[in-house]
Amino acid sequence: DAKTTQPNSMESNEEEPVHLPCNHSTISGTDYIHWYRQLPSQGPEYVIHGLTSNVNNRMASLAIAEDRKSSTLILHRATLRDAAVYYCILGSMDSSYKLIFGSGTRLLVRP
Amino acid sequence: DTGVSQNPRHKITKRGQNVTFRCDPISEHNRLYWYRQTLGQGPEFLTYFQNEAQLEKSRLLSDRFSAERPKGSFSTLEIQRTEQGDSAMYLCASSPTGKGHTEAFFGQGTRLTVV
Repeated sequence: DAKTTQPNSMESNEEEPVHLPCNHSTISGTDYIHWYRQLPSQGPEYVIHGLTSNVNNRMASLAIAEDRKSSTLILHRATLRDAAVYYCILGSMDSSYKLIFGSGTRLLVRP
Repeated sequence: DTGVSQNPRHKITKRGQNVTFRCDPISEHNRLYWYRQTLGQGPEFLTYFQNEAQLEKSRLLSDRFSAERPKGSFSTLEIQRTEQGDSAMYLCASSPTGKGHTEAFFGQGTRLTVV
């Protein structure tokens, strides 16, 4: 399973943008890049995903490097409710579509 | 249908006892996954069902663990002869069948404490 590398923790001020980096140098051509987050005492929840092009949705934006070996999750205006562990996951297009989680980045949002 | 439901939310058991957890996925979802999460770690994949067929099992799933999805709807995860190392959050997720990306929806988990 392809591996991702993320910083253990990051801090942000409320209402400021947050850029969460992820390195995935062993990504294969068919791997999707997924981001999930886990709020305290909750199961993980989907944030965004992409394959090659940058993606936007109501929660976040995903910027993917041209060589696909790294990506950045962008929260445009962090709120206190965005404090969570953010996981960058490479999703194989094999038959199981299982998610292999790393340790993620713990985001602290300061008021 | 409001999402993936797991029961119980919390379970405390004595070492050596058997426990069973239940997961009710989103009704139209064919795929169902079990994960285990210990404190400070990301969830670890345990097993995967496509409808009623268990198609993949992790090495983490020892002989004391068994999972079923008898009618392709709800699933159960049983742990026999529990050990203290089994203490963890057990998460269930479901997703629809489809090519390429499919979003996984997670339940809130069952927290197991073995004393």
